[in-house]
Amino acid sequence: NAGVMQNPRHLVRRRGQEARLRCSPMKGHSHVYWYRQLPEEGLKFMVYLQKENIIDESGMPKERFSAEFPKEGPSILRIQQVVRGDSAAYFCASSPQGAGTYSNQPQHFGDGTRLSIL
Amino acid sequence: AQTVTQSQPEMSVQEAETVTLSCTYDTSESDYYLFWYKQPPSRQMILVIRQEAYKQQNATENRFSVNFQKAAKSFSLKISDSQLGDAAMYFCAYRSAGGNKLVFGAGTILRVKS
Repeated sequence: NAGVMQNPRHLVRRRGQEARLRCSPMKGHSHVYWYRQLPEEGLKFMVYLQKENIIDESGMPKERFSAEFPKEGPSILRIQQVVRGDSAAYFCASSPQGAGTYSNQPQHFGDGTRLSIL
Repeated sequence: AQTVTQSQPEMSVQEAETVTLSCTYDTSESDYYLFWYKQPPSRQMILVIRQEAYKQQNATENRFSVNFQKAAKSFSLKISDSQLGDAAMYFCAYRSAGGNKLVFGAGTILRVKS
């Protein structure tokens, strides 16, 4: 049973370019979460999505960042006009049912995408 | 807002010995879940163990066990018979029962000496 798949593993962008990070959840999982890990820090929640819906984006910067989880295909985290401060590891996690339903199901993480901004 | 504190930036343990990693959290909620995740140099996030706040019994997974003290808001991880493969960054995480996001501590680097 394949785990959460993230690609690319490493992404290098120049300042001002766009970065697209992809996440395919585990089979049977319909809930996706994105987290950001800055160097020497823990993971910080960004956004929670179900198929075609953003449920909670309270951790996502209001500008330049967007996320989607279409009916078909992977979830995408998009960062427009990247800046040096966007350099981080971005992790995607998935779960089989919404965490808000009092489920003790853990979130399963992908291996992350390390984004480097030149 | 909930916070998670790991007060030990780094710990060392001799192979085959036991080590305890500390975690405290702050919440006004009574129903929540607590997790320990392991992040080796490969950067994967691996679930080690989880605890439901309503359960008084401490969770155990093979060599890993927790000491959950709800009143003290403490959730420490004990690793017995430490192995070289246990070397990693360990993160404590909190999720409210009705919530959807994990709140992570800053992590503890565990080094295992042979």
